[in-house]
Amino acid sequence: DAGVIQSPRHEVTEMGQEVTLRCKPISGHDYLFWYRQTMMRGLELLIYFNNNVPIDDSGMPEDRFSAKMPNASFSTLKIQPSEPRDSAVYFCAVRTGVNYGYTFGSGTRLTVV
Amino acid sequence: DAKTTQPTSMDCAEGRAANLPCNHSTISGNEYVYWYRQIHSQGPQYIIHGLKNNETNEMASLIITEDRKSSTLILPHATLRDTAVYYCIVRVSYNQGGKLIFGQGTELSVKP
Repeated sequence: DAGVIQSPRHEVTEMGQEVTLRCKPISGHDYLFWYRQTMMRGLELLIYFNNNVPIDDSGMPEDRFSAKMPNASFSTLKIQPSEPRDSAVYFCAVRTGVNYGYTFGSGTRLTVV
Repeated sequence: DAKTTQPTSMDCAEGRAANLPCNHSTISGNEYVYWYRQIHSQGPQYIIHGLKNNETNEMASLIITEDRKSSTLILPHATLRDTAVYYCIVRVSYNQGGKLIFGQGTELSVKP
């Protein structure tokens, strides 16, 4: 069963700093997704990849956000420069092949002060 | 993907069946119904999905009406650990990837 490991679990940073969130899907996936969750907006899809290629980044809020997937075992979401309104929980998810459900990581809680 | 409508919140007594409704009146013939839940401070968890037949797995049962315009997720014997937000999602392409768009879901509270 594929799992998703996200790091760090919690990140507190100052406004203007660069933030990099990491996702390591274990195995057995072909799609990888980045979501953001806030109380006001709920779960929002930011971007997703198919076989390491970005397919749809229309949910990325602005140019300060970028995501990469250099290989099937690793993806990053970078915010540069960060702003307080970026504070949220960021989830990475993958599509698992067995039942085509999606497996989510535990999330990274980002606080920008 | 079709829009879904769910009650904002529901309560259920521990040990009783929890029946969570979802309306998807604009569903298309090739769209599947997915259910996920999110326990506080965790990522969403896949529960079950179906096209038109009723489905059952170790977690829950999914009942889809004959016209497919609504469905019900059933947790047969709810426990306190089933307290979570439950999301009903309708989307195309069962065997392809693509977007999962989450609505506001139903906040289920299981009470002793």
